[in-house]
Amino acid sequence: KAGVTQTPRYLIKTRGQQVTLSCSPISGHRSVSWYQQTPGQGLQFLFEYFSETQRNKGNFPGRFSGRQFSNSRSEMNVSTLELGDSALYLCASSLGASGAVQETQYFGPGTRLLVL
Amino acid sequence: AQSVSQHNHHVILSEAASLELGCNYSYGGTVNLFWYVQYPGQHLQLLLKYFSGDPLVKGIKGFEAEFIKSKFSFNLRKPSVQWSDTAEYFCAVMGNFNKFYFGSGTKLNVKP
Repeated sequence: KAGVTQTPRYLIKTRGQQVTLSCSPISGHRSVSWYQQTPGQGLQFLFEYFSETQRNKGNFPGRFSGRQFSNSRSEMNVSTLELGDSALYLCASSLGASGAVQETQYFGPGTRLLVL
Repeated sequence: AQSVSQHNHHVILSEAASLELGCNYSYGGTVNLFWYVQYPGQHLQLLLKYFSGDPLVKGIKGFEAEFIKSKFSFNLRKPSVQWSDTAEYFCAVMGNFNKFYFGSGTKLNVKP
């Protein structure tokens, strides 16, 4: 079974631009979560999508948004980029069945974003 | 608010030394606990997880962790580390609705 894939793997943008990152979950997984990893803050939760609906949200400004499509693929968008948005953005998928206790997430390789 | 603390930010060990990485969490409900590892240049991988049952959990590559509910801890251990264990280790707690809370990570450097 193929793992979680993320595209692009590397991206360079300038301040003020916007960016869209893509994540394809493991086949059959319906939950997709997004994380931001930086040296200073570590790994932080952005949001989670399940069945095309945002189910959970972390503490990030509204410039960070996402969506999920009917095939469970997810996109994350960051508008008006700031230097501090430079980070590794990780996507993780899980089966995501509502109320499930035994869940584990499988991570993709990440998209490394550099904002100049 | 829920949080996960990893007190050791950077650990340096020689090969064959024993390892223990601390993880404490604050969360009032039922928790599921995880340790992830990120090797240099690779993406996150699951080392082990605890949902219920025996609080001593065995993971891959000789790692184990012990869940001590009274101490809100889930420390990671390995009796004898190898150079190939050099990586960053993340403790995580999963609360309601699959929401994950990660620690800030511990960088382990094993000297050959």
